[in-house]
Amino acid sequence: DVKVTQSSRYLVKRTGEKVFLECVQDMDHENMFWYRQDPGLGLRLIYFSYDVKMKEKGDIPEGYSVSREKKERFSLILESASTNQTSMYLCASSTRDTSNQPQHFGDGTRLSIL
Amino acid sequence: AQSVTQLDSQVPVFEEAPVELRCNYSSSVSVYLFWYVQYPNQGLQLLLKYLSGSTLVKGINGFEAEFNKSQTSFHLRKPSVHISDTAEYFCAVSESRRGSTLGRLYFGRGTQLTVWP
Repeated sequence: DVKVTQSSRYLVKRTGEKVFLECVQDMDHENMFWYRQDPGLGLRLIYFSYDVKMKEKGDIPEGYSVSREKKERFSLILESASTNQTSMYLCASSTRDTSNQPQHFGDGTRLSIL
Repeated sequence: AQSVTQLDSQVPVFEEAPVELRCNYSSSVSVYLFWYVQYPNQGLQLLLKYLSGSTLVKGINGFEAEFNKSQTSFHLRKPSVHISDTAEYFCAVSESRRGSTLGRLYFGRGTQLTVWP
C-alpha cells in the first residue's frame, strides 16, 4: 500500500530556531511536494521536487528551503522560525509526468512556533 | 496558471439529506479534476478524479461528481449523507497536457461538510 510518512505529527519550536520537517515515501515516486494548510486558505504549495537534488519554488517559498538528497526523502527547512509559520504542513508524492496520477499525502505535521 | 473556487466554505446538513459541494475552475488549457477528502487530524485522501470520457464520475463512499466543461464546474454530490462524511473536502485541478508542470495540483480553499443527526 502507498505510504507517505511525516516524521512528527506535532512539533513545538521557538522563534529563531532552525526547524526540520521530514517526509519519506516508499512508492519510488519521482515528484514530492510540501504544502502548508491554514484555515480558510486551503493548501498552498511551498516547494516541490521532481528528482533527487532538484527543487522548484511553489507559491509561498519565502522563509523556507528544502533538501532532496535521496529519492524517498524530502525535507522542509525553516531557516529561522517565526510565529507566522505556525501551521499544518503536508507532504505529498506522485509519479513523474503524469498529471492524471493523484498525489498521495502524509498525515501532516502540526507545527507551533512560540 | 489555474485557479479553483469552492463557493461554500461551510455546508451543514442533516443526516440522510442530499448534499452538493460546488467547485468552479479557470484554466487556459485542458485539465484533470480531483476531489480530495480530509478527515480530522489526517492527510488528504483521493475521493474521485475526472480524466476524460464520461462526465459523471463515481468515487468512494457513494460520492459522485459531474464535469461540466461549458460551465467550468466539477460539483461533488451525494444523495444521502452519513455522520461519518463530516470532513473537509478539497477540489483540485492539474493541467492535462503531457509534460506540464510535473503533476502540480491547484487546490480550492476547501469546504467543511458537517453532518448533523
